[in-house]
Amino acid sequence: QVQLVQSGAEVKKPGASVKVSCRASGYTFTNYAMHWARQAPGQGLEWMAWINTGSSNTYYLQNFQGRVTLTRDTSASTAYMELTSLRSEDTAVYYCARQVNYRGPLDIWGQGTMVTVSS
Amino acid sequence: DIQMTQSPSSLSTSVGDRVTITCRASQSISTSLNWYQQKPGKAPKLLIYGASTLQSGVPSQFSGSGSGTDFTLTISSLQPEDFATYYCQQSYSTPPTFGQGTKLEIK
Repeated sequence: QVQLVQSGAEVKKPGASVKVSCRASGYTFTNYAMHWARQAPGQGLEWMAWINTGSSNTYYLQNFQGRVTLTRDTSASTAYMELTSLRSEDTAVYYCARQVNYRGPLDIWGQGTMVTVSS
Repeated sequence: DIQMTQSPSSLSTSVGDRVTITCRASQSISTSLNWYQQKPGKAPKLLIYGASTLQSGVPSQFSGSGSGTDFTLTISSLQPEDFATYYCQQSYSTPPTFGQGTKLEIK
């Protein structure tokens, strides 16, 4: 079945980097854009960035410009989100999600990856 | 960026109640409006897309309407499994943006 499986929870110190993976299965990886969003404890959803998995073009929310990088490995049907210069405010669950089409919804979500930033 | 404003932020309701959640966009988004349901510790789940189209497998007690800037999600008769947080999201322009969420609680 169509699914996105993310890598496991991470604990990082302030100033470190984290790289979260999102492995797709059950569909043609390069036919759908991949988005990333996060959710701090007890808070709402915050969209971060997206990648065109075919061309590798990316778009980053200005808040994260310079700290987030999206990449993909088409041979492994896997998307990656790297966030650098971590601070305590980056403690959150990070989600990848597939976009159906242009102006379409996010129809399949990964299970989420908890990233904890603590000294 | 387009701002999405949901109301109410929380609602105390009972099984069998009819519930309406509203979402307002800061500018016209045509019908590029999606609704998600999120339960504690789980990823969001797509309920409705294109303002009014029910995602496959979603029960028919859910419905959506609206266009332009004003949208509603209606649950015709609340079931126990419907107590969750609901988010609207515009996919009309980049960056896509979410409303702040509406939490349905048991009265």
